[in-house]
Amino acid sequence: DVKVTQSSRYLVKRTGEKVFLECVQDMDHENMFWYRQDPGLGLRLIYFSYDVKMKEKGDIPEGYSVSREKKERFSLILESASTNQTSMYLCASSPVGTPATNEKLFFGSGTQLSVL
Amino acid sequence: AQSVAQPEDQVNVAEGNPLTVKCTYSVSGNPYLFWYVQYPNRGLQFLLKYITGDNLVKGSYGFEAEFNKSQTSFHLKKPSALVSDSALYFCAVRARNYGQNFVFGPGTRLSVLP
Repeated sequence: DVKVTQSSRYLVKRTGEKVFLECVQDMDHENMFWYRQDPGLGLRLIYFSYDVKMKEKGDIPEGYSVSREKKERFSLILESASTNQTSMYLCASSPVGTPATNEKLFFGSGTQLSVL
Repeated sequence: AQSVAQPEDQVNVAEGNPLTVKCTYSVSGNPYLFWYVQYPNRGLQFLLKYITGDNLVKGSYGFEAEFNKSQTSFHLKKPSALVSDSALYFCAVRARNYGQNFVFGPGTRLSVLP
């Protein structure tokens, strides 16, 4: 089975801190995604990457950056954490292709970030 | 632009009764449609997808979904609910002809009462 591992289940940070959220997948997937999950809003895409060193903005990239130096690892960076970034963060990966072949998202268990 | 609506925040159903979780979508062209489920303290898990062909799609754990093009809907169904089906359910759409982004609905919390 595909495994997507997020380094922390719970994280508490102070306003203004730089925060790193790490995600590793073990199935050699080309595509990786960072979502933010908030009640009543569902999942919103922050950034995604289709290849090493490649990144594209999603729907809500402000206040975030990402890094993909290796195929299996995709990091989300909060440059200066703010209280409105308190949320559940979900990493996902998928193989290249289309849903007609094998494309679907595999999710990690999430990181609940609290910014105080 | 793509969008997904799940009109019910919460669905309550008695164990053994049929359940329906509603989803409507807006996308240009023909969509790929998905249902994902999230159990407490877990990431989302894939349930089923509609690609083409038969409008009734069968998935994991006895769930099925019916694609209705004229109503732009993709409702999730199960003939007989289990308490263990209690979870948060997300509908998602991916446009067929452009981009590779999945757009998710806000989620519906299903509670199956014993």
